Amino acid sequence: TQLLEQSPQFLSIQEGENLTVYCNSSSVFSSLQWYRQEPGEGPVLLVTVVTGGEVKKLKRLTFQFGDARKDSSLHITAAQPGDTGLYLCAGLGSNYKLTFGKGTLLTVNP
Amino acid sequence: DSGVTQTPKHLITATGQRVTLRCSPRSGDLSVYWYQQSLDQGLQFLIQYYNGEERAKGNILERFSAQQFPDLHSELNLSSLELGDSALYFCASSVYAGGPGEQFFGPGTRLTVL
Repeated sequence: TQLLEQSPQFLSIQEGENLTVYCNSSSVFSSLQWYRQEPGEGPVLLVTVVTGGEVKKLKRLTFQFGDARKDSSLHITAAQPGDTGLYLCAGLGSNYKLTFGKGTLLTVNP
Repeated sequence: DSGVTQTPKHLITATGQRVTLRCSPRSGDLSVYWYQQSLDQGLQFLIQYYNGEERAKGNILERFSAQQFPDLHSELNLSSLELGDSALYFCASSVYAGGPGEQFFGPGTRLTVL
């Protein structure tokens, strides 16, 4: 069974601070996705990383896929209250099934 | 709005009962995925259908079953409900049969088993 561990589980910061959340596994994934989920809604895809070592930027969000394709990180610069939400990583295995981490619940206080 | 619709939004029922959750995928999407989200287990993949056929199976209990109809909508049937089945159930759809393509999630059905 492929497992994804996300850390930290909870993060509460002030507006303007930087933060990094991590997604780690002992398994190799063919690709990894990051989603954000807001209360009462389904997850929304932010990015897909496919190549080991790949870095993708989405405005203030930077996503990195580890060289061995087992881990990933999400860095947010100058966080804003609108960034508040549950951040989920999901790895795509060789069987095309998505395995989700339990998420990092981020709160950005004004 | 992802374009995926799920009904009902909330469902409250008793142990031992059976319920049916319904999902309509985005126009043009052939794949439908069902997920269960709970506080302790996180988001767990249950089952995938592609163009009416079962494509992949995850951690789906034998008490649960699903199907995809010719018009591509899907239903998830949960029977002999237990307290531990209380969770959010999400449906997602995708153009793809598999691979890293984007899945679009519906707003979910919150099931409460009393």
